[in-house]
Amino acid sequence: AQSVSQHNHHVILSEAASLELGCNYSYGGTVNLFWYVQYPGQHLQLLLKYFSGDPLVKGIKGFEAEFIKSKFSFNLRKPSVQWSDTAEYFCAVMVRGSQGNLIFGKGTKLSVKP
Amino acid sequence: KAGVTQTPRYLIKTRGQQVTLSCSPISGHRSVSWYQQTPGQGLQFLFEYFSETQRNKGNFPGRFSGRQFSNSRSEMNVSTLELGDSALYLCASSLANAQPYEQYFGPGTRLTVT
Repeated sequence: AQSVSQHNHHVILSEAASLELGCNYSYGGTVNLFWYVQYPGQHLQLLLKYFSGDPLVKGIKGFEAEFIKSKFSFNLRKPSVQWSDTAEYFCAVMVRGSQGNLIFGKGTKLSVKP
Repeated sequence: KAGVTQTPRYLIKTRGQQVTLSCSPISGHRSVSWYQQTPGQGLQFLFEYFSETQRNKGNFPGRFSGRQFSNSRSEMNVSTLELGDSALYLCASSLANAQPYEQYFGPGTRLTVT
């Protein structure tokens, strides 16, 4: 069965530190890749997505992610985090042809200290 | 455009009862997917509906069912509730007329089974 692994359960950073959250998936075929964010008390929001083309994708709020097909990875990055980035981040994969089924990682909680 | 709405937002039920949750997708979206979110299992796909037809289903028992109406609104039903059904139930909508596509999530319904 397909699965998504997020390596870090909880990451604590100070403001202005750089961020990289790991995400790996297990599926050899074509996939669509997503990062979602859940701010405290809010619902899941789409941060960025990769469908095809340039493997470096940019999302909202200065986030970017790089798809490395050979490593089955889709890591999320931000050069300088802010306190307002405190949230839970979910990596998700949709297998091409599988309707409506997003396979999620367990999530990474990011705490940014002011 | 209004986002995905879910009703009710909170629900408390007793073991053995049944429950119906409702989801109204973003205007123009024809696909609705349902997910269960728990601290232990994370986000898990329940099923997806498109134009009133179930196109995909996750690994949940038959007590979990759903339907979609001609206006794309969807309901999910859980019969014979168990304590383990306590969770946040999320619905997501998308255009889904062709892959790839992204999903937009609602705020969820928090179900507590006592």
